[in-house]
Amino acid sequence: GESVGLHLPTLSVQEGDNSIINCAYSNSASDYFIWYKQESGKGPQFIIDIRSNMDKRQGQRVTVLLNKTVKHLSLQIAATQPGDSAVYFCAEKTSGSRLTFGEGTQLTVNP
Amino acid sequence: EPEVTQTPSHQVTQMGQEVILRCVPISNHLYFYWYRQILGQKVEFLVSFYNNEISEKSEIFDDQFSVERPDGSNFTLKIRSTKLEDSAMYFCASSPREGRQQYFGPGTRLTVT
Repeated sequence: GESVGLHLPTLSVQEGDNSIINCAYSNSASDYFIWYKQESGKGPQFIIDIRSNMDKRQGQRVTVLLNKTVKHLSLQIAATQPGDSAVYFCAEKTSGSRLTFGEGTQLTVNP
Repeated sequence: EPEVTQTPSHQVTQMGQEVILRCVPISNHLYFYWYRQILGQKVEFLVSFYNNEISEKSEIFDDQFSVERPDGSNFTLKIRSTKLEDSAMYFCASSPREGRQQYFGPGTRLTVT
């Protein structure tokens, strides 16, 4: 399943499918990007980050892709599990150490 | 694994009252932050703090807000005279260096009545 984070705030996938969550960021000068996962009633939890001098970074079951030309960031989750159900936020570091968060995408994984 | 802690988990206060939200950042971290999240909205930056002074603040962080690191472990956010629109989740975060991953606490839910 795939979403455009800012225009389609929900994504529903079947367990075991791959998920793609998209994010359009605002500032071409941003040099650092993070994906956070937020479960209901909890604080944002770090998933993966990427610097602007890279276009891809892989973690465990997750991959982040950065396209600076169109200011687009995506998070790919392989073999999505019910525990992955949460709201996913992209965040960009614009100036100093301030993080600017995107709108968020609600991922629901159906068993 | 070390984590950021926050107290209380839920604070209810009357409009016009002062509140202090408390955070214990991860012990070897040098940069500290407050963010807030109004229900159903995105997380918004309030302030960053380094070397015992504010390094950056947003337009939300007006004169009603202040931060302090009163000792070597706590980091506090004070709202002098709360308004209804201050009701939100307040998250503390810390990072070891500027421009690196920020670790968030579980948040304090502030309800202003």
